[in-house]
Amino acid sequence: EVQLVETGGGLIQTGGSLRLSCAASGFTVNSNYMSWVRRAPRKGLEWVSLIHPVGNTYYADSVKGRFTISRDNSKNTLYLQMDSLRAEDTAIYYCARAPTGGAFDCWGQGTLVTVSS
Amino acid sequence: QLVLTQSPAASASLGASVKLTCTLSSGHSSYAIAWHQQQPEKGPRYLMKLNGDGSHSKGDGIPDRFSGSSSGAARYLTISSLQSDDEADYYCQTWVTGIWVFGGGTKLTVL
Repeated sequence: EVQLVETGGGLIQTGGSLRLSCAASGFTVNSNYMSWVRRAPRKGLEWVSLIHPVGNTYYADSVKGRFTISRDNSKNTLYLQMDSLRAEDTAIYYCARAPTGGAFDCWGQGTLVTVSS
Repeated sequence: QLVLTQSPAASASLGASVKLTCTLSSGHSSYAIAWHQQQPEKGPRYLMKLNGDGSHSKGDGIPDRFSGSSSGAARYLTISSLQSDDEADYYCQTWVTGIWVFGGGTKLTVL
């Protein structure tokens, strides 16, 4: 069964750092385009970052320079390192798979990140 | 600029049908999109990929009640025989190299 499970969310102070993890099962992370998407309170889905199978990375302007996407092939896990966190980064963060780099066809259940002063 | 526009809200009665619309920005009318459903307190669920010619491929386990169609820059999601658990937020999504975009979402209320 194809599954994604996110962990690592929590309450963090403004300016702090947090690393999210997304453990995949039923497929290999490094053979797929893998992404992070978030949903802030009372808002819609927002694409955050994506890593290409060959390792190229892409970021939304709102997080560029502060967030880093990576993966550990041996653990079949995707990561999102979030630095210099701001209140507006408060959201549920989802990982998602895009097998051909387009549509996201598999989602996790999400992990909540709350940034507060 | 690649933008997807959705109406914020829609409603329909139990057992009826509803057609949700997602409109691609100017210059992008041929793009494929994907439809996703997000029920309250759950992660999103992939429904289908919808091409500009109206052809679509659905995700695993998505019932026949869900169908897609296209006309020009508009992409549609039709849900027939509405059930109570169809009450959810529906998002369209598209992409171009380096950018992945979501519409603002439509909150569907089943009356």
